[in-house]
Amino acid sequence: DTEVTQTPKHLVMGMTNKKSLKCEQHMGHRAMYWYKQKAKKPPELMFVYSYEKLSINESVPSRFSPECPNSSLLNLHLHALQPEDSALYLCASSQDGTANSPLHFGNGTRLTVT
Amino acid sequence: DQQVKQNSPSLSVQEGRISILNCDYTNSMFDYFLWYKKYPAEGPTFLISISSIKDKNEDGRFTVFLNKSAKHLSLHIVPSQPGDSAVYFCAATGIGDTGNQFYFGTGTSLTVIP
Repeated sequence: DTEVTQTPKHLVMGMTNKKSLKCEQHMGHRAMYWYKQKAKKPPELMFVYSYEKLSINESVPSRFSPECPNSSLLNLHLHALQPEDSALYLCASSQDGTANSPLHFGNGTRLTVT
Repeated sequence: DQQVKQNSPSLSVQEGRISILNCDYTNSMFDYFLWYKKYPAEGPTFLISISSIKDKNEDGRFTVFLNKSAKHLSLHIVPSQPGDSAVYFCAATGIGDTGNQFYFGTGTSLTVIP
C-alpha cells in the first residue's frame, strides 16, 4: 500500500465542469508535488509545494489550480479542462524537497476529459 | 529537451538471469540519481538511488552503477524474477532554473520470462 493516498482513482469530467483531485500523506513530509503522466511518457512536473508554499509552477495553464491547505494535504482544482488534459495525475511527497530526498508517489488519478 | 534518456523502451530477460537497464543524462549538474519501478495502475515506487560521489550502490538484488564521465547509469537486477516485470524509470536531480527538480527518463518496460 502506498503511503500517499490520492482520490478519486478515476474521474470523468466535461469541459465545463469543476472538480478537484485530492492527495494526502502522513509521513511528515514537507514537500508535495503534482505530476502529469501521459501514456508511454515519463511523469512531467506541474507544481511543487515546499513547507506549504508554492515553490515551483512549471508554466501550467491556469485551468489547473493547486492548493496546499496544510502540510499533509494537497489539492488540484480543475476548471474548463480540454480533452488533451486527459492523463494520469500523480501526487508525490518528499521529506524536505532537497535533491537527494526521494519522491514517494501515490497511485494517481486517471482523468478523462470529455 | 529530454535531459534523461532511456534508449531501450523494452527488455525481455529469462528468470534467473541478469537484467541490465541503462540510462543516459546530459546535464553535468545532476548530482543524485534514482530508479523507480512502476506497475500498471500504480504510481512509481522508489527502488534505489546513488549520489554522484559514488560509482556503485547495492541493495539486495539491485545494484546501480554510475559513470559520471560518460553521464551514464545502469540498474542491474540479479537474479531476475517474474515479479520484477514492470516499467523502470531512471531519474536525476539537481538544481534547475526553478529549484530542485526531478527529471525522469522515458522508461524501460522489463519483462522477466518464467
